[in-house]
Amino acid sequence: DGGITQSPKYLFRKEGQNVTLSCEQNLNHDAMYWYRQDPGQGLRLIYYSQIVNDFQKGDIAEGYSVSREKKESFPLTVTSAQKNPTAFYLCASSISGWSLYNEQFFGPGTRLTVL
Amino acid sequence: EDQVTQSPEALRLQEGESSSLNCSYTVSGLRGLFWYRQDPGKGPEFLFTLYSAGEEKEKERLKATLTKKESFLHITAPKPEDSATYLCAVQDAGGTSYGKLTFGQGTILTVHP
Repeated sequence: DGGITQSPKYLFRKEGQNVTLSCEQNLNHDAMYWYRQDPGQGLRLIYYSQIVNDFQKGDIAEGYSVSREKKESFPLTVTSAQKNPTAFYLCASSISGWSLYNEQFFGPGTRLTVL
Repeated sequence: EDQVTQSPEALRLQEGESSSLNCSYTVSGLRGLFWYRQDPGKGPEFLFTLYSAGEEKEKERLKATLTKKESFLHITAPKPEDSATYLCAVQDAGGTSYGKLTFGQGTILTVHP
C-alpha cells in the first residue's frame, strides 16, 4: 500500500538533546513538508522540500533542521535551540508543490514531549 | 498574509441533525481550498479540493461548497462516526507559488447517538 510513515509515534526528549523524526513516503511524490500542530492552533509549516537535495524554511523553522538526500525520505531534527518543542509533528507529501493539483497527504504523526 | 478562520470552534449535534461548518479565507488569489478530517492523535485525512467559486463536491454525508470568500462543509444526517476535527486550508496562487497551505484552527464536531 502506498502511503507515508512516521516514526516513532511517541518520542521523549530531555533538555539539551537533539532528536530526529523520521518520515518516509512511497507515493513517488516530489514535494514533502513538515508541520507542527499545537492544541487550539492550526498546522504551521516548519520546512518543505520540492525536490531532492533542496529544501526551504517555512514559517517556524528556527530550532529545526532537515535533509532531503532521497526522494522517499525527509527527516526532521529538533535541536536544543528549539525553545518549546513539545508538540504533534506531521509530515506530508504532494505530487509537486508547483502543480495545480496539490493535495497534501499526511502521515500518522509523531508526538514529541520534552521531559 | 493569507488567513483562514473556521467557525464554530466546536459543534455538538444529535445523530441525524444536519448542519454546516464554515471556513472564511483571505488570500491574494486562490489556487485551491482543501478540507481535511482529523481523528484524535492521527494525521489529517484528505477530503476535498475546491478550485473556483460555485464548485461543489460530495462524499457520503459530506458536501463542500465554495464562494469567493468562504467555504462550507455541509453534513447531512450525521452519524457518531463523523465525530472528528475538520480542518480547512488554502493555497495561495500568488507569491512563490509553492505548495504551502495555510490552515484554520479547525472545528471539533461531536455527534451524539
